Amino acid sequence: DVQLVESGGGLVQPGGSLRLSCAASGFSFDNHWMSWVRQAPGKGLEWVANIKRGGDERYVDSVKGRFTISRDNAKNSVFLQMNNLRAEDTAMYYCAKYDAIGHSHDSWGQGTLVTVSS
Amino acid sequence: DIQMTQSPSSLSASIGDRVTITCRASQDISNNLAWFQQKPGKAPKSLIYTASTLQSGVPSRFSGSGSGTDFTLTISSLQPEDFATYYCQQHISYPVTFGQGTRLEIK
Repeated sequence: DVQLVESGGGLVQPGGSLRLSCAASGFSFDNHWMSWVRQAPGKGLEWVANIKRGGDERYVDSVKGRFTISRDNAKNSVFLQMNNLRAEDTAMYYCAKYDAIGHSHDSWGQGTLVTVSS
Repeated sequence: DIQMTQSPSSLSASIGDRVTITCRASQDISNNLAWFQQKPGKAPKSLIYTASTLQSGVPSRFSGSGSGTDFTLTISSLQPEDFATYYCQQHISYPVTFGQGTRLEIK
């Protein structure tokens, strides 16, 4: 079975940094695009970033220049380095796997909570 | 950016009802649309991709249709486990965008 397990969330002050990790298992990791999607408390879903099989990265405008998505295919893991964090980055962050064609997210982790507050 | 607008924002229905949720894209997205279900405190679950293809394991009472800018998610006979929030998402262009969600509640 596919498993995606996020870690690295926590409480951080505005301007601080966090690195989220997502450990993947149960599928051929290096054949799939991966994403981070976030959900602010009581709000809807917001796509944050994608990384393709070959490492091509895309970001939502609000995090460009502050967040970096990366992957380590040898460790079946995807990461999200978050710098210069703002209060509006407070959210549950989900790791999501794309299907084999890159059409859509077909599996999600349980999420890791990031709280940005002084 | 492509805006995704769902209607209604919330909906009350009874067990056994047929329910339809609509999603409208601000520009033509062909069939590059997915639907997700999310229950309180849980991660989203994929239901449908490419507008009408059911993910493996999703009950056949769920169906999706549409192309271009107008899409629907239909639940043919509501079951207790279907009460949740539903989101559409376009994946034809960046940024990937979601609808605002439709909360389906028990009447």
